[in-house]
Amino acid sequence: SAVISQKPSRDICQRGTSLTIQCQVDSQVTMMFWYRQQPGQSLTLIATANQGSEATYESGFVIDKFPISRPNLTFSTLTVSNMSPEDSSIYLCSGGQGAGYTFGSGTRLTVV
Amino acid sequence: QQQVKQSPQSLIVQKGGISIINCAYENTAFDYFPWYQQFPGKGPALLIAIRPDVSEKKEGRFTISFNKSAKQFSLHIMDSQPGDSATYFCAASGYAGGTSYGKLTFGQGTILTVHP
Repeated sequence: SAVISQKPSRDICQRGTSLTIQCQVDSQVTMMFWYRQQPGQSLTLIATANQGSEATYESGFVIDKFPISRPNLTFSTLTVSNMSPEDSSIYLCSGGQGAGYTFGSGTRLTVV
Repeated sequence: QQQVKQSPQSLIVQKGGISIINCAYENTAFDYFPWYQQFPGKGPALLIAIRPDVSEKKEGRFTISFNKSAKQFSLHIMDSQPGDSATYFCAASGYAGGTSYGKLTFGQGTILTVHP
């Protein structure tokens, strides 16, 4: 299974600013995904990061708020833009192919 | 229709006992059902997964039981150990062409505590 590294692991940010989260996979993977997890809650899919094309967003998530890049088969970034306290959450990336997807350890974001 | 409902929300088991977590789904397009284990401060880790063509899959102390007609599946942890204390998520996915099975719909999670 792919091993996924995410950074930063946590950050405290001022409202109105943006944070870019990086996700690095130790092998080439076809698909990468970004999820959000409120502390103590379940995971919700934000978007599918497509290599070489625009990300595909789930209902309730938009590109202006969560721009995503996928420059190659081992790397992706998620930016949380113009942050508000409601964006405080854990953001996780996932990667793999076929069945069996692994997750990074997540980025715990607090917006003050 | 995309929901996966998981129960119980929390579970306390004595060491050596059996932990059982249940999930139900509505979307008949789902055909891949993984379970994930998550420890505090860590991302979810794939534990075991099943496809609807089998009714049961066992890996060590972990067993998935699947009932296609009822659209339900469950995780059984035999001989539960304190180290199994974690949050468990069921999930479901359907083959979606290029995105394969990676678009997961998660259940609400079950916090398992195993007392020594």
